[in-house]
Amino acid sequence: AQSVTQLDSHVSVSEGTPVLLRCNYSSSYSPSLFWYVQHPNKGLQLLLKYTSAATLVKGINGFEAEFKKSETSFHLTKPSAHMSDAAEYFCVVTPGLNYGGSQGNLIFGKGTKLSVKP
Amino acid sequence: ETGVTQSPTHLIKTRGQQVTLRCSSQSGHNTVSWYQQALGQGPQFIFQYYREEENGRGNFPPRFSGLQFPNYSSELNVNALELDDSALYLCASSFYIPAGTDTQYFGPGTRLTVL
Repeated sequence: AQSVTQLDSHVSVSEGTPVLLRCNYSSSYSPSLFWYVQHPNKGLQLLLKYTSAATLVKGINGFEAEFKKSETSFHLTKPSAHMSDAAEYFCVVTPGLNYGGSQGNLIFGKGTKLSVKP
Repeated sequence: ETGVTQSPTHLIKTRGQQVTLRCSSQSGHNTVSWYQQALGQGPQFIFQYYREEENGRGNFPPRFSGLQFPNYSSELNVNALELDDSALYLCASSFYIPAGTDTQYFGPGTRLTVL
């Protein structure tokens, strides 16, 4: 079975300081992992994805995440926060592409709300 | 390239009523997945449609049903609405490949309120 745990429900940073959003996963298969962002009253936007290629994944808007199998983690980072980064962030796991089950089953964490102070 | 669109944006219903939500998939995509996002929670998978058939289902009762049309658009139908059905309903489209599904791209969602 697959699951994902976002370790912080709320993270607050000052503009220009680094961002770290933590995510641990559990998967019986080689997983695909994603980070999505949701701005208030908006749908979900894909930030980045890991699908068993390079372990350091670069995404949009300066975000990146590192897949660490030994730690079962996929933390999201950004060197310098911007006010526009304030949003809800979701870590998502799904069985790897070789899994012949329900491919639609994205499993979401509960989300981390990122606040950015001026 | 046209993104995923959903209609309506907001909807208010009363308990026991039925509702239909609509989704148009992104150009080039042939698979549609539906998710329910309750307030303050992450989205939960309802079901996925590929080739006009259900291709996987989450832990939702049969009163949640769907359709996919030849143009790959989709409907989510919910019968006998309950107060707990109040949520943001998200549609995601993707391209189905035999060994799995490509990245899912989400629409803006439909906010359903059940009174």
